Amino acid sequence: AAGVIQSPRHLIKEKRETATLKCYPIPRHDTVYWYQQGPGQDPQFLISFYEKMQSDKGSIPDRFSAQQFSDYHSELNMSSLELGDSALYFCASSSSGGVQETQYFGPGTRLLVL
Amino acid sequence: QKEVEQDPGPLSVPEGAIVSLNCTYSNSAFQYFMWYRQYSRKGPELLMYTYSSGNKEDGRFTAQVDKSSKYISLFIRDSQPSDSATYLCAMSAAGNQFYFGTGTSLTVIP
Repeated sequence: AAGVIQSPRHLIKEKRETATLKCYPIPRHDTVYWYQQGPGQDPQFLISFYEKMQSDKGSIPDRFSAQQFSDYHSELNMSSLELGDSALYFCASSSSGGVQETQYFGPGTRLLVL
Repeated sequence: QKEVEQDPGPLSVPEGAIVSLNCTYSNSAFQYFMWYRQYSRKGPELLMYTYSSGNKEDGRFTAQVDKSSKYISLFIRDSQPSDSATYLCAMSAAGNQFYFGTGTSLTVIP
């Protein structure tokens, strides 16, 4: 079965640079969530989108923005990167027509800021 | 205080043992309870999903929810070395945001 796809899988940036992470949800899933997971930490919710509209907002820094496109894929844009942004960034998707509370996670993008 | 508390372990058991993983929570509005398994450098994989109180069984895995005690458990029977991973509990109210435990690291020794 198709899963959530994230790209790139690994990314190295320098401080103050920008990064764009992409997420392609499971087909027919209309809701996308972004999480940040630091080393040894649990995933921290950043932001979510339903039908291209922001549906919930967590601990997303002002330097980050995200959007969901008409094909339901989502992009997380990160600017003025800081060393502390180094983490695993997960995207998850769910279907409002199914069991919405079951979120399926992608493999993650590992971001390293030097 | 975190919304969800989970003992990080590490937990080490011999192959074939029964494993018990637990989480407690403080928000009585939580209705949806999930267990995820995460292998190193991989995304969390949904294992079990339970709505409200009760038990749910799937093969060697059993999830229990006790809303009166704000306590959830995951039991793994006949544990295998391939079960070695970090297990994350997650829960939510009727909305989008999930709250995760910190994860319990499990090693099953052959």
